[in-house]
Amino acid sequence: EAGVVQSPRYKIIEKKQPVAFWCNPISGHNTLYWYLQNLGQGPELLIRYENEEAVDDSQLPKDRFSAERLKGVDSTLKIQPAELGDSAVYLCASAGNGETQYFGPGTRLLVL
Amino acid sequence: AQSVAQPEDQVNVAEGNPLTVKCTYSVSGNPYLFWYVQYPNRGLQFLLKYITGDNLVKGSYGFEAEFNKSQTSFHLKKPSALVSDSALYFCAVRDTGNTPLVFGKGTRLSVIA
Repeated sequence: EAGVVQSPRYKIIEKKQPVAFWCNPISGHNTLYWYLQNLGQGPELLIRYENEEAVDDSQLPKDRFSAERLKGVDSTLKIQPAELGDSAVYLCASAGNGETQYFGPGTRLLVL
Repeated sequence: AQSVAQPEDQVNVAEGNPLTVKCTYSVSGNPYLFWYVQYPNRGLQFLLKYITGDNLVKGSYGFEAEFNKSQTSFHLKKPSALVSDSALYFCAVRDTGNTPLVFGKGTRLSVIA
């Protein structure tokens, strides 16, 4: 069974530029999460999807961050414009009907 | 609100010795508790979970964890540490359904040969 796929693995951009991250969850997993992990910290939720509906986006900075999961499968997280403080690892996770969330390898973003 | 505390930033143990990585939690209802491991430049790998039942949970790579309701703890243990166990370990908690996990800050385990 393929795991959670994320791309790109690494991204370096200049501040004020846009950036997008893509995630493909484990097949059949209806719930998809985007987490932000700062250096030396545990992941923190940005947004949670149940199928195509964003059911928890209270922690998503909506002035610059957006996300979509149009067909309830893969998802894209966008930042526009990026700021220096956005440098972090962006993790995608998915869960089926069970209790366990499975994580992808993450996208490491560096904003210069 | 849920929270997790991992009181040790770093744990050092000699190869072959038992290891313990500590975790305490706070949650309003029944806790769903998880341990994940993160190797450099990798995502989080699921190790084990406690949902209900036996307080001693066995997981991947010989790890186990003990749920203690009275002490609100879920410490990760392994009887004999390997150098390859050196990594960053995260404890996490949630309450019900597919609600998001709340993570601790992580504990870096270093196993010395």
